[in-house]
Amino acid sequence: EDQVTQSPEALRLQEGESSSLNCSYTVSGLRGLFWYRQDPGKGPEFLFTLYSAGEEKEKERLKATLTKKESFLHITAPKPEDSATYLCAVYVGYSTLTFGKGTMLLVSP
Amino acid sequence: DAGVIQSPRHEVTEMGQEVTLRCKPISGHDYLFWYRQTMMRGLELLIYFNNNVPIDDSGMPEDRFSAKMPNASFSTLKIQPSEPRDSAVYFCASSLAVTSGAETQYFGPGTRLLVL
Repeated sequence: EDQVTQSPEALRLQEGESSSLNCSYTVSGLRGLFWYRQDPGKGPEFLFTLYSAGEEKEKERLKATLTKKESFLHITAPKPEDSATYLCAVYVGYSTLTFGKGTMLLVSP
Repeated sequence: DAGVIQSPRHEVTEMGQEVTLRCKPISGHDYLFWYRQTMMRGLELLIYFNNNVPIDDSGMPEDRFSAKMPNASFSTLKIQPSEPRDSAVYFCASSLAVTSGAETQYFGPGTRLLVL
């Protein structure tokens, strides 16, 4: 069965303490892996799409990478405003996204 | 563009009442998705439309749930009768036509539903 698993469930960092979030997937024929950011009380906000193993994308302090089995979201020198839940999703079938349960990140000043 | 618009933002109702959630997708988007988010199950797809036609409703939990898209700029998700276990955040999302195989879905702010 297709599955998306994110780890850790929660992560607490000090400001400036770099770390990585993991998203492992078991779908066959990956057509795209998405990263979203979700702030409390808001809808998921699109960050990145990765299409093939070896691909990397960056946005400010965030860098997403992709292998054949997993994706990492690297956060370099995080700030308190990076605190949010980060969701990973993959396409299953033609038009449907399957989401992981997310990693709740808290960055303390 | 204003993005995906949902209303109401919050809804509190009593068990047995009818609930109607509304969504306006991004103009020009061909696909519209309804999701439900809970702590236990995360984000789950309920149903999606392509060019106003329902394509897959296999995620709709029960016959109490129904969705319509009468035109390209409006969709509703109705729960009748509502039950406490329906309490969740309901999101609407839209995307362009799937041509490259991985179109980005853009989400609305959600409707927080509490059924007492």
